[in-house]
Amino acid sequence: LAKTTQPISMDSYEGQEVNITCSHNNIATNDYITWYQQFPSQGPRFIIQGYKTKVTNEVASLFIPADRKSSTLSLPRVSLSDTAVYYCLVGRYSGAGSYQLTFGKGTKLSVIP
Amino acid sequence: EAGVTQFPSHSVIEKGQTVTLRCDPISGHDNLYWYRRVMGKEIKFLLHFVKESKQDESGMPNNRFLAERTGGTYSTLKVQPAELEDSGVYFCASSQGTPGLGGFYNEQFFGPGTRLTVL
Repeated sequence: LAKTTQPISMDSYEGQEVNITCSHNNIATNDYITWYQQFPSQGPRFIIQGYKTKVTNEVASLFIPADRKSSTLSLPRVSLSDTAVYYCLVGRYSGAGSYQLTFGKGTKLSVIP
Repeated sequence: EAGVTQFPSHSVIEKGQTVTLRCDPISGHDNLYWYRRVMGKEIKFLLHFVKESKQDESGMPNNRFLAERTGGTYSTLKVQPAELEDSGVYFCASSQGTPGLGGFYNEQFFGPGTRLTVL
């Protein structure tokens, strides 16, 4: 499974756009890139998943360059409630019917008023 | 729609005792996963059920851990006997469908976790 590297922490003011970049240099052809969010005392929550180029949903955008060795999660106009830990995960279907998620240390985002 | 629920939310036991954690997945989800985060470490995969069958138990740390999913609904994770290093937060997640070939997988919905403290 590909190893991911992301900032340990970030601070942002309310209303700003936040971009969290994750590097995954040894990503494999079949790997997808997925981001999860975790609030204290809660389980991780799926945010977005992509394979290449750009993916957008109602909460975030995911930018993946052509070489796929990195990805950037973009959170538009963050609010205090976006304060959480954000995990970048890279993984693939194992072919044995399982898809285990491999979590790194994540990026702790603190939104300040 | 109810999410993934876990019971208890917190358990404190002494070393050598037995503890059983329970997870109720989202109704209709065939896939059920157990993960855990021990103190200061990352969240780690333990095992994956598809209905009542263990699809992948490569993350189970040792034979003191026993997971079951009788009837393919809720699951239990028993630790017997518990050791100090078992302390941490145990998460359960569920997903529907079958992980697809080519890398795409179905979103996993996580429960709030059970915090286990072994004294």
